[in-house]
Amino acid sequence: ELKVEQNPLFLSMQEGKNYTIYCNYSTTSDRLYWYRQDPGKSLESLFVLLSNGAVKQEGRLMASLDTKARLSTLHITAAVHDLSATYFCAGKGGSNYKLTFGKGTLLTVNP
Amino acid sequence: DAGITQSPRHKVTETGTPVTLRCHQTENHRYMYWYRQDPGHGLRLIHYSYGVKDTDKGEVSDGYSVSRSKTEDFLLTLESATSSQTSVYFCAISESIEKVYSPLHFGNGTRLTVT
Repeated sequence: ELKVEQNPLFLSMQEGKNYTIYCNYSTTSDRLYWYRQDPGKSLESLFVLLSNGAVKQEGRLMASLDTKARLSTLHITAAVHDLSATYFCAGKGGSNYKLTFGKGTLLTVNP
Repeated sequence: DAGITQSPRHKVTETGTPVTLRCHQTENHRYMYWYRQDPGHGLRLIHYSYGVKDTDKGEVSDGYSVSRSKTEDFLLTLESATSSQTSVYFCAISESIEKVYSPLHFGNGTRLTVT
């Protein structure tokens, strides 16, 4: 059974700084997703990573995947307040149809 | 936005009463999911469906049942609600989880309080 662990779970950072959120998963996953959730809102898909070495970028967010290390990272460059949200990673294990989520990282960007 | 409607959006009910949450989609997607979100636990899968009348359990299925009699509707029933089922429930759909670049699309959630 796939397990997904994120760290840190809470991240407070200043505007303009860089930081990385880590997502480790326990068994083979043929893809890795990143989602964003604003307070009281639904989840929005950010990235889908399919292969080893995959890198996707959107604005100040960049996601990467290392399947050998079973690790995905979400890197934040020059954070701005609008990036404050909870970020989830999720993996799909094996041949079933389930998506397993991490506990989420609550990111707060302070002026 | 993917056409997903959850109803009701908010509900307060008493312990021991049955509750049914509805997820309706207009995308004709095959796969539908029910997750619950609780502080400190992230999202946990309750049940999912991979076709009409085809459902399977997730990691936290005890106390919940589901039904899918047509493609567009996926119902989640709490047979006898307990306070531990107070949560925010999200429905999600996927065109095809096997397809590349096919993420789940989420509804707006139902906030359920069991008193």
